[in-house]
Formats: sequence, structure tokens, C-alpha cells
Amino acid sequence: GAGVSQSPSNKVTEKGKDVELRCDPISGHTALYWYRQSLGQGLEFLIYFQGNSAPDKSGLPSDRFSAERTGGSVSTLTIQRTQQEDSAVYLCASSSKRASTDTQYFGPGTRLTVL
Amino acid sequence: DAKTTQPPSMDCAEGRAANLPCNHSTISGNEYVYWYRQIHSQGPQYIIHGLKNNETNEMASLIITEDRKSSTLILPHATLRDTAVYYCIVRNNQGGKLIFGQGTELSVKP
Repeated sequence: GAGVSQSPSNKVTEKGKDVELRCDPISGHTALYWYRQSLGQGLEFLIYFQGNSAPDKSGLPSDRFSAERTGGSVSTLTIQRTQQEDSAVYLCASSSKRASTDTQYFGPGTRLTVL
Repeated sequence: DAKTTQPPSMDCAEGRAANLPCNHSTISGNEYVYWYRQIHSQGPQYIIHGLKNNETNEMASLIITEDRKSSTLILPHATLRDTAVYYCIVRNNQGGKLIFGQGTELSVKP
């Protein structure tokens, strides 16, 4: 079946502009996660949605970052007034939370470059 | 979640078994050991997980010591396509974020 998809695959923007990154999770998955990976760095958790519960926003680096999940499916990560240090690959993952394993399945990522 | 320690890099000859160690000496009783890998320019891929028993699937085997303070991921017949960064993660099974360390960069060579 279809995996997690993300769009766009690449995004180049100018410093100060806003960007929106989209994630389509696996159908039926109730949990959705955003991570980012800066050049040469490890994967860093950003935010986690689980069903109708309040999201875990503990990983968002600043108030310029926000995310929403509409209808329990598609999610959008928004970065306002982008800075050069926001350049990274932004990864989305989803999991079913029905199985005991709670395996997270990752999308291919969006590579964001802020000039 | 408990922290893990992995060697930064390892080499393996193609066709041989790759044994990737992980130390997690502060693991709690309800925490599982998960392994993911990330092939260059791709998102992380789930490999296997376990609590205390050894586990095997089509990708790999996971050997967890009796005291659960360390584990080894075994790729029985490594191929060039197994070249990736391998992450050992310890977490409970209640969901939530994965905390990735630096992982082990495995290079499989002809």
C-alpha cells in the first residue's frame, strides 16, 4: 500500500519568507510525527499528533514553527519568517497505535534550503 | 527514555554477517529496544524491536543480553544496499517521539 508522502520534495526560499510543508500519512494511522535533520546532524523531534489529543509540541525550536493536522489525516508544518538555520530535511512519520509495536513509518522528507 | 551508546562507524565485507552493538545500561523494565536505519537521502526505516527475548524477522536478528543492558543487531548476509546509518533507540511502548542518537555508520564493502 501507499506509504507516507511529503511535498514538496525540495523547497528553496529566501530568508524571512514563510513556508508550508505537507505530510500525507498512511491511511488509518492515528499518530503523526514531524522530525528534522540538519546537515551532518541527527534526527530531532519537533511535534507529535495522536488522534484528538492535544499535540506534543515540546520539540518545536521557536514560536516561528507551528503545525496542524486537519481531519486527523494530512498535516502541515509551517515555518514563519524563515532563517538560514532552518535549512534541513523535514521528515514526517506516522504510526497506527493499534498494534503494540507502534512502528513509525517515515516519508522521504522535504529538503528546505533558506538562502 | 534511556540513552544508548553505539560505535560511530563499522565496516563489513559483502556477504558476511554485520554485528552492530548497542549499550543501554539505564534501560527500564518497560522499555523496548528499537532499531532503525537511514540509507543516504532517505527517511529512516524500521528494522526490528524487542523487549527481552531475541527477535528475528526477514531483515535482521536482535540479540538482547539477559540483563538487557546491551543488544546486538545482526544482518546475517550484508549486501552493499545495507550501507546506512543504524540507530538503536530505547523507548516504552506507549507511543511518542523517537530520540535518535548519532547511530553507527555501517559501510558494506565488496
